[in-house]
Amino acid sequence: DIQVTQSPSSLSASVGDRVTITCRANQNINYYLNWYHHRPGKGPKLLIYGASSLQSGVPSRFSGGGSGTDFTLTISSLQPEDFATYYCQQSYSRPFTFGQGTKLEIK
Amino acid sequence: QVQLVESGGGLVKPGGSLRLSCVASGFNFSDYYMSWIRQAPGKGLEWLSYISSSGQTTDYADSVKGRFTISRDNGKNSLYLQMIGLRAGDTALYYCARELRMRLPSTYDFWGQGTLVTVSP
Repeated sequence: DIQVTQSPSSLSASVGDRVTITCRANQNINYYLNWYHHRPGKGPKLLIYGASSLQSGVPSRFSGGGSGTDFTLTISSLQPEDFATYYCQQSYSRPFTFGQGTKLEIK
Repeated sequence: QVQLVESGGGLVKPGGSLRLSCVASGFNFSDYYMSWIRQAPGKGLEWLSYISSSGQTTDYADSVKGRFTISRDNGKNSLYLQMIGLRAGDTALYYCARELRMRLPSTYDFWGQGTLVTVSP
């Protein structure tokens, strides 16, 4: 199975800050990397697919980059609703695996 | 709009069984692969199982293989997860998710709100 590892596991930031989360796969997954946002009590929400494509309806302050084994998710200016847990997920080969999550907390 | 609503969770003793359901609406259910994914307390997301649109192809995570069975009824727009031999480690919030395969890469583009399974004496 392909392993994907996120860093950091937690992050404290303030409204208006720019933050970046990274995800590394243990083999080349081309651009087959997706990002999700998960708030307590709700189902996860797809933010970015194919490493850098913004899912319909997702604000443009979210952006993704990378290919191969190294990927990033950047939030350009944090809003209160962005404080949540973020997961990367590879869909290069089954089983589709998730990173362990990055919890973004208010400083 | 797309909706996925899970049900069937609850408190069960170790070794017990439960059947989870997920009712879909707002899209042509029979066109989509579906998955079950769980989140244990304090842990991340773990994919458990998927089923093809026709129901002919299924697969499972090693952690549940032989104990969990995924199925679907396209006439009822419903997805199921039959769980037997439950263990404390199966305690989690269980989500159903739609797999979008019409563009690359595949993504889980819609998720339910989850149903809680607690395995405890």
